[in-house]
Amino acid sequence: DIQMTQSPSSLSASVGDRVTITCRASQSISSYLNWYQKKPGKAPKVLIYGASSLQSGVPSRFSGSGSGTDFALTISSLQPEDFATYYCQQSYSSPYTFGQGTKLEIK
Amino acid sequence: EVQVVESGGGLVKPGGSLRLSCAASGFTFRSFNMNWVRQAPGKGLEWVSSINSRSNSIYYADSVKGRFTISRDNANNSLYLQMNSLRAEDTAVYYCARVLGGGSAGYDYFDYWGQGTLVTVSS
Repeated sequence: DIQMTQSPSSLSASVGDRVTITCRASQSISSYLNWYQKKPGKAPKVLIYGASSLQSGVPSRFSGSGSGTDFALTISSLQPEDFATYYCQQSYSSPYTFGQGTKLEIK
Repeated sequence: EVQVVESGGGLVKPGGSLRLSCAASGFTFRSFNMNWVRQAPGKGLEWVSSINSRSNSIYYADSVKGRFTISRDNANNSLYLQMNSLRAEDTAVYYCARVLGGGSAGYDYFDYWGQGTLVTVSS
């Protein structure tokens, strides 16, 4: 199975900050990398698919980059509603494994 | 409007069984691959199982292989997860998620999720 490793595991930031979360795959996954946002009590929400394609309806302050084994999710200017846990997921091969998550907290 | 709604969760004793259901509406269910994903209390998302549109390609996480069975009824727009030999570590919110292939390369991602159903395994 492909292992996904995110860093950092948690991150404190302020409204307006630019933040970047990284995700590394244990083998090359081309651009088969998705990013999800998860808030307590809510269903996960896809933000980015195919490493860099913004899902319809997702604010443009979210962006994704990378290919092969190294990927990043960047939020250009944090908004209050962005404080949540973020997960990467590979869809290169089954099982479609998730990273362990990055909890983004208010500083 | 696309909707997926899970049901069937509850409290069950270790070694017991439970069947989860996911009712889909607002899209052509038979055309989409589906998945189950879970989140244990205080833990991250864990992919559990997937089934393609025709039910001829099925995968399971190692943690549930041999105990859980995924199935679907395209005539009734429903997805199921039969869970047997349940363990305390299966306690989680279970989500049903639709798979969409996006972009020119058909990058699979989970575009619609239900609100989840809680399974608690405890004596």
